[in-house]
Amino acid sequence: ETGVTQSPTHLIKTRGQQVTLRCSSQSGHNTVSWYQQALGQGPQFIFQYYREEENGRGNFPPRFSGLQFPNYSSELNVNALELDDSALYLCASSSEGLNTEAFFGQGTRLTVV
Amino acid sequence: QKEVEQDPGPLSVPEGAIVSLNCTYSNSAFQYFMWYRQYSRKGPELLMYTYSSGNKEDGRFTAQVDKSSKYISLFIRDSQPSDSATYLCAMSAEYNFNKFYFGSGTKLNVKP
Repeated sequence: ETGVTQSPTHLIKTRGQQVTLRCSSQSGHNTVSWYQQALGQGPQFIFQYYREEENGRGNFPPRFSGLQFPNYSSELNVNALELDDSALYLCASSSEGLNTEAFFGQGTRLTVV
Repeated sequence: QKEVEQDPGPLSVPEGAIVSLNCTYSNSAFQYFMWYRQYSRKGPELLMYTYSSGNKEDGRFTAQVDKSSKYISLFIRDSQPSDSATYLCAMSAEYNFNKFYFGSGTKLNVKP
């Protein structure tokens, strides 16, 4: 296990609803990135948080937003859910410094119906 | 065109075979190249990391990067059934090991 935990593991929401996904980073890690992995695809970078500030964003609309807390845990919020938002959402935590590896959680499987 | 292209497979090989997995990319700014392994219902785990061009070996795994051709490879020697998983290549332009561009993954099945 990587020490990165995500909750919930599975979630079913209705189109138009809002969802919040949570990630607890590994101890000592101050950076969290979120990725969306559609079925049969590789993960796509959504955004990164470093010391509570957004530090880069991928090609995702503003209805995808995030937050990082003083303990470096993080939330991903998605508003106005669409069917195409159905995917595995992964968070990965890392720390500063040379040759630092990013450790992934097991993901949250979101289904939008 | 996607920034990172990877043959999705599936790739099925007998136990003991040499496996070759490949990715091509279009962004010449990519400097850091990773290979991740992802088992079903799990998050990806880092297998190999390479900076710029060259080869890197770790046990049964060898990673190769050819920046002039924008082509990276992962070789698995003496493949085992436990190697059956999806293999993802990932790349980054920054010294930021948490802001990657991933390939779509190649599903590998090693038959006993």
